[in-house]
Amino acid sequence: QTVVTQEPSLSVSPGGTVTLTCGLSSGSVSTSYYPSWYQQTPGQAPRTLIYSTNTRSSGVPDRFSGSILGNKAALSITGAQADDESDYYCVLYMGSGIWVFGEGTKLTVL
Amino acid sequence: EVQLVQSGAEVKKPGESLKISCKASGYSFAIYWLGWVRQVPGKGLEWMGTIYPGDSETRYSPSFQGQVTISADKSISTAYLQWSSLTASDTAMYYCARHGDPNYYYYMDVWGKGTTVTVSS
Repeated sequence: QTVVTQEPSLSVSPGGTVTLTCGLSSGSVSTSYYPSWYQQTPGQAPRTLIYSTNTRSSGVPDRFSGSILGNKAALSITGAQADDESDYYCVLYMGSGIWVFGEGTKLTVL
Repeated sequence: EVQLVQSGAEVKKPGESLKISCKASGYSFAIYWLGWVRQVPGKGLEWMGTIYPGDSETRYSPSFQGQVTISADKSISTAYLQWSSLTASDTAMYYCARHGDPNYYYYMDVWGKGTTVTVSS
């Protein structure tokens, strides 16, 4: 079964830049997987940040951006703020009406 | 305003059945795919399955196929997730989420607040 991989944890300094990645246990991520990104703070429902690789969802600040870096999807946060401290999940569309969440990245801002 | 309102928290015993709901408002329910996502306490998000309410076409994750049933009643704009026999491992938060744009459904854009299911003897 395909596993969607993410860094378990990352940290960033306030005002700094961090890049989270989303890969496949076997193969490369491309735009054909329509990668999307979600933010979840403790006790809250997920919030949609990015879809279709690099399209920001309504109301998402332009500090968040998506891309393909090498063989992975990537979410970059520039000018990190304290309230960016959250769990971040990517989702890949595997085709045939099947979606798979990544394992999630816990981002610490310190 | 587009909203997904989920049913309240449930406490059940192993072996019992359960059906939780997700009521949509503010958009044409029948033409947007709607998915269910599980989150076990302290763990990540898992896509369980997705339904197209217009004709009830359903897709399931292999991990959940045969374990749950997803359905929808477009006359009342409500989707359901049900179990015939719960086990302790079903203890989790369950979110419903609308897939974005009927013609571009590759992501989820609106989320319910979640339903907590606790299974304990």
